Amino acid sequence: DAGVIQSPRHEVTEMGQEVTLRCKPISGHNSLFWYRQTMMRGLELLIYFNNNVPIDDSGMPEDRFSAKMPNASFSTLKIQPSEPRDSAVYFCASSLKTDEQYFGPGTRLTVT
Amino acid sequence: GESVGLHLPTLSVQEGDNSIINCAYSNSASDYFIWYKQESGKGPQFIIDIRSNMDKRQGQRVTVLLNKTVKHLSLQIAATQPGDSAVYFCAENRAGGYQKVTFGTGTKLQVIP
Repeated sequence: DAGVIQSPRHEVTEMGQEVTLRCKPISGHNSLFWYRQTMMRGLELLIYFNNNVPIDDSGMPEDRFSAKMPNASFSTLKIQPSEPRDSAVYFCASSLKTDEQYFGPGTRLTVT
Repeated sequence: GESVGLHLPTLSVQEGDNSIINCAYSNSASDYFIWYKQESGKGPQFIIDIRSNMDKRQGQRVTVLLNKTVKHLSLQIAATQPGDSAVYFCAENRAGGYQKVTFGTGTKLQVIP
C-alpha cells in the first residue's frame, strides 16, 4: 500500500494567493483528517470527514479555509486568500477503525 | 485549557538504555490513548495504543502504562536505538461519537550513540 499521498510536498506562495493542498487517503479507509502543525501550536485538527461527509470543522481557523471530499479517494484543503500566518506543515491522515490514523508526509506551506 | 508548544521538552538517552516518556492528559472522559512517533520531515506514525479499561500494554520494545487516577500516560522504550530519535506525541480520544483525537505538544527523544 502506498500510504496516504499528499501533494505538493512543498508550496511557496505570496500573500493573497490561493493555495490548494491535496490528499489521497488509503484505499478502504472511511475517515479523513486534515491537521496543521506549527512550532507554536503543535498539531491541530482542522477538519474531519467520515464517509466523505464533513463531521467536525470546528478546527478550521477562518472562512479563508475550506475543505472538500468529493469522493472516497480524494480531498482538498484550500486557503483563499493565504496569509503569512498560514505558514505551517499540513498533514492529511486517514483511518478505518476508531483509533489508528495513518498520516501522509505533509505539505510544507510557506506564505511570504 | 489548550497548551501551546513554545518549548518542546527534550529527553536525552544513551543508546542501549531504556527511555521513559511521560504525558499528562486532562479529560477524565478520554477512553482511548495513543502514542505517535514523528521523525524529522515525516508525518506522525502510530506506535501503540491503550484503552481506558487497561493499565498496561506491550508491543515490540515499547510498553505503554496508563494511570487513570492521576491522568498520566507513559511510553517506555527498551534498549533505545538511534532510530528511536524523534518527537513522541501522546494523544487522547475524547468521547464524542466520532474519532476526534487531541494531540499533546510532544517530547523530543535524543539518543546518544
